Amino acid sequence: AQSVTQLDSHVSVSEGTPVLLRCNYSSSYSPSLFWYVQHPNKGLQLLLKYTSAATLVKGINGFEAEFKKSETSFHLTKPSAHMSDAAEYFCVVRPPYSGAGSYQLTFGKGTKLSVIP
Amino acid sequence: EAGVTQFPSHSVIEKGQTVTLRCDPISGHDNLYWYRRVMGKEIKFLLHFVKESKQDESGMPNNRFLAERTGGTYSTLKVQPAELEDSGVYFCASSQRQGATGELFFGEGSRLTVL
Repeated sequence: AQSVTQLDSHVSVSEGTPVLLRCNYSSSYSPSLFWYVQHPNKGLQLLLKYTSAATLVKGINGFEAEFKKSETSFHLTKPSAHMSDAAEYFCVVRPPYSGAGSYQLTFGKGTKLSVIP
Repeated sequence: EAGVTQFPSHSVIEKGQTVTLRCDPISGHDNLYWYRRVMGKEIKFLLHFVKESKQDESGMPNNRFLAERTGGTYSTLKVQPAELEDSGVYFCASSQRQGATGELFFGEGSRLTVL
């Protein structure tokens, strides 16, 4: 079984300041981890993914996340927030194996990021 | 290249009526998935097609939901009869590759409101 907890339902930052969106996961194996973003009236877009390679993963638009197995965390960060970053972000876990159930993504509840000018 | 497209973007129906949602995956993607987000809850898996075959439908909530993918191209998700608790956003996604590294491409979702 696997689960994802996004620790903040809403985060507000000023433009130009760092962004930190927190995610903890629970899994009985080493999962694949993802961050997706949904801008208003848009589909879910993949930001970045961790699949057991480098623990520090770089994504699009300057975002990155670090996989910490000891803390079962996969927090999303960005050094400097931009107005266009305002969106809802989802931390997602997926089994690392192929076969039955491997396509069932488990989503966190989402974190809404507001960026104040 | 066109992304995953979903129709309608928003549907408002009364309890007991029928609604059919449609998803057109990215051309060439054999894998098609349906997910749902009920108000205030997480996005949850409903089912997975590989071409026209249902690979995994363990997330379908009950037999009021019927998904089809005739010919292995577009897919429909029918809710009949709709209940109040079916309200939410239904997402479709597609992928080309299998396995944990195959990226899922999501549509914008179809918002269903049942009154």
